[in-house]
Amino acid sequence: EDQVTQSPEALRLQEGESSSLNCSYTVSGLRGLFWYRQDPGKGPEFLFTLYSAGEEKEKERLKATLTKKESFLHITAPKPEDSATYLCAVQPTSGGYNKLIFGAGTRLAVHP
Amino acid sequence: DGGITQSPKYLFRKEGQNVTLSCEQNLNHDAMYWYRQDPGQGLRLIYYSQIVNDFQKGDIAEGYSVSREKKESFPLTVTSAQKNPTAFYLCASSSRDRGVQPQHFGDGTRLSIL
Repeated sequence: EDQVTQSPEALRLQEGESSSLNCSYTVSGLRGLFWYRQDPGKGPEFLFTLYSAGEEKEKERLKATLTKKESFLHITAPKPEDSATYLCAVQPTSGGYNKLIFGAGTRLAVHP
Repeated sequence: DGGITQSPKYLFRKEGQNVTLSCEQNLNHDAMYWYRQDPGQGLRLIYYSQIVNDFQKGDIAEGYSVSREKKESFPLTVTSAQKNPTAFYLCASSSRDRGVQPQHFGDGTRLSIL
């Protein structure tokens, strides 16, 4: 069964304290992996798409990496405005449409 | 600016009542989706539509209905048959261009029971 697991469920960091969020996935074949940011009471905001193992994408303080079994979202020197829930989703090769399987997310709190 | 508009932001349902959530997009996307988000769980797909006048059930379609009469619009009706409707509902759309296309989301409707 296709599955996505994110860890940790919640993470508290001090401003400037770098860390990583994990997204582990089990799918028969991977078409793409997506990272989203979700603020309270808002919809998810698209951040990155990763397609193949070894690929990396960067945006400001965020860098996403992909292996055959997991993806990491690295946050370098975070600021309080980086506080949000980060969602990971995978698109398997099976399904026939733009099917996404979402993880439950990691709630990140960055304190000054 | 192009985007997805969901309305209302908050909605309350009485026992035995059907309610309709609106979703409009001006991104010129062919595909549209409805998800349900509950605390501690990943988004779950309710219905999706890849083209006007066609839609398919997702993983949790029971108690919900949709229509797709226009490319821009994909309303969701939560019927009285849905016994646990309290949740955050998210509408999304995506291009059907070649390659892997991300889904883009609206800002959701929070539905509660009176």
